[in-house]
Amino acid sequence: ETGVTQTPRHLVMGMTNKKSLKCEQHLGHNAMYWYKQSAKKPLELMFVYNFKEQTENNSVPSRFSPECPNSSHLFLHLHTLQPEDSALYLCASSREQGTYEQYFGPGTRLTVT
Amino acid sequence: KNQVEQSPQSLIILEGKNCTLQCNYTVSPFSNLRWYKQDTGRGPVSLTIMTFSENTKSNGRYTATLDADTKQSSLHITASQLSDSASYICVVSLLYNFNKFYFGSGTKLNVKP
Repeated sequence: ETGVTQTPRHLVMGMTNKKSLKCEQHLGHNAMYWYKQSAKKPLELMFVYNFKEQTENNSVPSRFSPECPNSSHLFLHLHTLQPEDSALYLCASSREQGTYEQYFGPGTRLTVT
Repeated sequence: KNQVEQSPQSLIILEGKNCTLQCNYTVSPFSNLRWYKQDTGRGPVSLTIMTFSENTKSNGRYTATLDADTKQSSLHITASQLSDSASYICVVSLLYNFNKFYFGSGTKLNVKP
């Protein structure tokens, strides 16, 4: 595949739950990204990490909390989500941030009930 | 206002035929334009990345063109195959801001036998 894995692939959670999405890349890249893809809407960039430092937070609500412990791993911690947060959450990585090809994982399909 | 518009929204063609997808943008200052292919239920896969100085780039049967003066790009698919059935997404980046991406809504291509 692309060298980027995401777990779980599917997640159903209630509005009061706390859960985490995990992304791991085996490409030796230094930049990692979280995207949200809702039905019938364009992709939305949420967060960017470059060399473990957050370089972009695209006005994402605080109920989404990213964590990047090292260049190979990226987490998205979720708490008190809303039904409108139901979407496909995609992780990507690239050599560095900038004009480099991004490699995407398969995504986590999240449903908030 | 920075925007990316793709056309058509959806397209049905017969296997073996050629097709062209369009991407018009108003993003300025322009850094680069990317085309992605996204199969249903999977993450996007990069097809091409073009900077303002490049006006054509190929990746197998996929050829992207860029006219930075008219702010238009096209993706031409030659001798289509059933596996080309997917959504094709155009993404434009801002100069001076690595992480500012503008996404098109995509063109959904269906190749029929």
